[in-house]
Amino acid sequence: GESVGLHLPTLSVQEGDNSIINCAYSNSASDYFIWYKQESGKGPQFIIDIRSNMDKRQGQRVTVLLNKTVKHLSLQIAATQPGDSAVYFCADFGAGSYQLTFGKGTKLSVIP
Amino acid sequence: GAGVSQSPRYKVAKRGQDVALRCDPISGHVSLFWYQQALGQGPEFLTYFQNEAQLDKSGLPSDRFFAERPEGSVSTLKIQRTQQEDSAVYLCASSPYGINEKLFFGSGTQLSVL
Repeated sequence: GESVGLHLPTLSVQEGDNSIINCAYSNSASDYFIWYKQESGKGPQFIIDIRSNMDKRQGQRVTVLLNKTVKHLSLQIAATQPGDSAVYFCADFGAGSYQLTFGKGTKLSVIP
Repeated sequence: GAGVSQSPRYKVAKRGQDVALRCDPISGHVSLFWYQQALGQGPEFLTYFQNEAQLDKSGLPSDRFFAERPEGSVSTLKIQRTQQEDSAVYLCASSPYGINEKLFFGSGTQLSVL
């Protein structure tokens, strides 16, 4: 989608290290952001979301940070595991829009 | 059901054939979405239903693409006179209500047009 994009197409990390996946968005009207994980042959799986009135949200081993000033979103995965290997997409809803717009994705590879 | 179910899982069509892809959303979910995912790309929006009403079909690439949800539950995406550029994974997603909430995706139908 045009409103959301990713800085890096691939990321390799050692098992046990922390991973950071970045995303830039262009639509200043976007007010809801979601990170999805997609494994080969499967549909996108919800990881974590954040609304524009927040700048940080934590889940189990994952944290999403939102910087509205520079229109930047990041996903942090703590203690990365082999099962975290997948393509990660950020996506956003523009205000009042039905369309969830996806970026191109970052492929995360975890080295055992 | 427990999740969004799509069938068939794989579909091979000869160019010019018509295909129909089925989506069973999570029971009780009001909203249903269709997305198209080309190889190595993120999903792209095709169309949106709220119950049986198709509120947005702006993402359908041509008039060969048609979607319906006549009873507000199961949905079918039909592609007429398929072309090679239609080859992609077609994803269905549902959500309890609609705007600004997370979508639950099915595993998709992989369409290959020869």
